[in-house]
Amino acid sequence: EVQLQQSGTVLARPGASVKMSCKASGYTFTSYWMHWVKQRPGQGLEWIGAIYPGNSDTSYNQKFKGKAKLTAVTSTSTAYMELSSLTNEDSAVYYCTRKAGEDYFDYWGQGTTLTVSS
Amino acid sequence: DVVMTQTPLSLPVSLGDQASISCRSSQSLVHSNGNTYLHWYLQKPGQSPKLLIYKVSNRFSGVPDRFSGSGSGTDFTLKISRVEAEDLGVYFCSQSTHVPPFTFGSGTKLEIK
Repeated sequence: EVQLQQSGTVLARPGASVKMSCKASGYTFTSYWMHWVKQRPGQGLEWIGAIYPGNSDTSYNQKFKGKAKLTAVTSTSTAYMELSSLTNEDSAVYYCTRKAGEDYFDYWGQGTTLTVSS
Repeated sequence: DVVMTQTPLSLPVSLGDQASISCRSSQSLVHSNGNTYLHWYLQKPGQSPKLLIYKVSNRFSGVPDRFSGSGSGTDFTLKISRVEAEDLGVYFCSQSTHVPPFTFGSGTKLEIK
């Protein structure tokens, strides 16, 4: 069974950086792109970027370049997203999601809630 | 970037009714390989999104046949025949033809009338 288990709720100060994780199981981690999606309270879904753990290739939404950094550790089947220079606008739920070969997102993590507040 | 526009934003329905959600893209979603990468997701309250329909009309594993997708080019529709209580939530369309970035519609909230 494919599962994506994300790290827990985070409270951070403005200007700080945070790193959240997404641990994959039930499939070959290195064979699928892992994507990250942002959802602000009561809002829609916004694509941040993606990483291919097989070779660490990455793709980013231009809007999040310099804000998000995606990495992956194959030995633990875990993908990471680091967000820097946090502002209130970064307060949101962040999802990791696996992209299937036909270019849809077939499995999603439960989400990590980030609150940025002084 | 491809803009995805969903209507309506809110859809009050009675249980057992049929529901229809529209999604329009700012450019054709037909890929150069002939496929159309338009997908539908449902986000139930307090949960992460779940895939319902991929490539316009293909139901994902375990999705009931009361869900159906149709459309072509820039205009797409998700229909739910005989709405059940478990169908309530926010529906999102999404495109993966012209990427990056992957883009989503703003969502349609299906709620009880």
